[in-house]
Amino acid sequence: SAVISQKPSRDICQRGTSLTIQCQVDSQVTMMFWYRQQPGQSLTLIATANQGSEATYESGFVIDKFPISRPNLTFSTLTVSNMSPEDSSIYLCSADRGRSEAFFGQGTRLTVV
Amino acid sequence: ILNVEQSPQSLHVQEGDSTNFTCSFPSSNFYALHWYRWETAKSPEALFVMTLNGDEKKKGRISATLNTKEGYSYLYIKGSQPEDSATYLCASNHAGNMLTFGGGTRLMVKP
Repeated sequence: SAVISQKPSRDICQRGTSLTIQCQVDSQVTMMFWYRQQPGQSLTLIATANQGSEATYESGFVIDKFPISRPNLTFSTLTVSNMSPEDSSIYLCSADRGRSEAFFGQGTRLTVV
Repeated sequence: ILNVEQSPQSLHVQEGDSTNFTCSFPSSNFYALHWYRWETAKSPEALFVMTLNGDEKKKGRISATLNTKEGYSYLYIKGSQPEDSATYLCASNHAGNMLTFGGGTRLMVKP
């Protein structure tokens, strides 16, 4: 199994600021994913990050709000921009090695005040 | 957009009780059903990956069944312990590689 190190584990941020979340995988993976779980809601896919190309965003999520970088096959970042209290969520990154295997970071618990 | 649903949303049981919860998913173009156990501040831990109709898997006191024709899976916990308290997530694979998650069932086991 791959190990994904996700940072920070939690943060409390002021509205209007931005936070960048990092995920480092201990081996090369083709696809990485970013999810969000708002309080009481489902774990929802934000975007798919492929190395060497722009991320693919799901309906309701846009690049200006959630810019993603994927500079190589072991690393990705998600930025939550111009935060509001509605962005308070757990953000989770994942790497996929195929249909039968997915690995996750430890999650980032974000509170926007 | 796939619709994967889990019920109940949350569940409180006493230590020693057995419990079960449900994941429902579209039956068309089904490939695999995943169950994860997610404790706060930890990575979701893979419990089972199930692909065949009628599959039944077991890991200690936890077991799961799969019905791909009607599109549901059950997760069972026998003799719940406080350390079983977590959110249990199911996710399905259909056409393509991406998982679609249900909302999770939050289990709390009281000593």
